[in-house]
Amino acid sequence: KQEVTQIPAALSVPEGENLVLNCSFTDSAIYNLQWFRQDPGKGLTSLLLIQSSQREQTSGRLNASLDKSSGRSTLYIAASQPGDSATYLCAVTNFNKFYFGSGTKLNVKP
Amino acid sequence: GAVVSQHPSWVICKSGTSVKIECRSLDFQATTMFWYRQFPKQSLMLMATSNEGSKATYEQGVEKDKFLINHASLTLSTLTVTSAHPEDSSFYICSARDLESPKTNEQFFGPGTRLTVL
Repeated sequence: KQEVTQIPAALSVPEGENLVLNCSFTDSAIYNLQWFRQDPGKGLTSLLLIQSSQREQTSGRLNASLDKSSGRSTLYIAASQPGDSATYLCAVTNFNKFYFGSGTKLNVKP
Repeated sequence: GAVVSQHPSWVICKSGTSVKIECRSLDFQATTMFWYRQFPKQSLMLMATSNEGSKATYEQGVEKDKFLINHASLTLSTLTVTSAHPEDSSFYICSARDLESPKTNEQFFGPGTRLTVL
């Protein structure tokens, strides 16, 4: 069974810092990996989707990488802002099913 | 991008009553939809896969008689929590798979429904 782990569970940084969130998974046979943002009491906002054949995806200040062989992905956030404060979830898919990590709660202090 | 809506966004009900939650794909057809549950400070757990025109597939440990799923059309799936109890209080999120998406297995998530059972 696929298991997804996210480290750290929580992170607090001052505004302007660059930061890295980590995601690891146990089964490398994945279709894709997706990073989401979840604000308190809200649904999921998709940030980046990396297909299994890709190594990375970029959107604005966000960059996500994928290393299937080692079962790892990182989400890099450049020049963090208070508005980036949220919980970040990574999820891997094996065919139809999504397997979510427990998330990293990010707090960016002004 | 594709949009998935949920209704209601929040609901409060008395213990023992049933609650229906709707999940709609607004601008695409979804033969498969998924229902997740999220307890406070925890991640999303897949409850069941909803297939249009056929029975839903439930994950291990999820009671199919308690969580009734109907996927009557290509744009609508419903989750009914029957005889709800306080322990069913949770955040329920659906997702839908867009078969025409060029990205393998790309799914779009609804905004969630907060259920509180008194």
